[in-house]
Amino acid sequence: EAGVTQFPSHSVIEKGQTVTLRCDPISGHDNLYWYRRVMGKEIKFLLHFVKESKQDESGMPNNRFLAERTGGTYSTLKVQPAELEDSGVYFCASSRYQGSSYNEQFFGPGTRLTVL
Amino acid sequence: DQQVKQNSPSLSVQEGRISILNCDYTNSMFDYFLWYKKYPAEGPTFLISISSIKDKNEDGRFTVFLNKSAKHLSLHIVPSQPGDSAVYFCAATISGTYKYIFGTGTRLKVLA
Repeated sequence: EAGVTQFPSHSVIEKGQTVTLRCDPISGHDNLYWYRRVMGKEIKFLLHFVKESKQDESGMPNNRFLAERTGGTYSTLKVQPAELEDSGVYFCASSRYQGSSYNEQFFGPGTRLTVL
Repeated sequence: DQQVKQNSPSLSVQEGRISILNCDYTNSMFDYFLWYKKYPAEGPTFLISISSIKDKNEDGRFTVFLNKSAKHLSLHIVPSQPGDSAVYFCAATISGTYKYIFGTGTRLKVLA
């Protein structure tokens, strides 16, 4: 079974530009999550999809961030326009729907975003 | 305000000895706790978990202890192996919310 994949692995952009990160969850996983780790700090929750619906977007920093999951498969996270403080590693995770929150989340390798 | 805290950024242990990683939390609503391990350039991988109704869970060399009154959990690795060298994240969640709240991680180095 293929794991969670993320593209690109690295992205370096200038302040004010737009970047789109992509996540492909494990096949059959209805739950998809985005997290972010700013250097040396905690891994912070951004949002949670159940299929194509946003279940919880309480962690999204501001309206420069837009996440989508059309068709309930892969997800994209767009940052527009990017600011210096958006730099960090963006992780995507997925989990099966088990009617409980105690299901293991499987993480992708992350996308390292650097905003200059 | 950080709800999950890992106060030791790093820890070095000799191969074969016990590694003890600590985690404190502030939110008494948390009812499930997890440890994830992360190697460089990889995503975190699940290691072990514990429900708030238990005080201990064991899986091979890994044991997690939960002290609810102190709002403290710890991960014990016995015996420690060089391949255990990684960053360990403690995480907590509240049933029904799905999101995990992570600590800042502890970098474990096991010396051969």
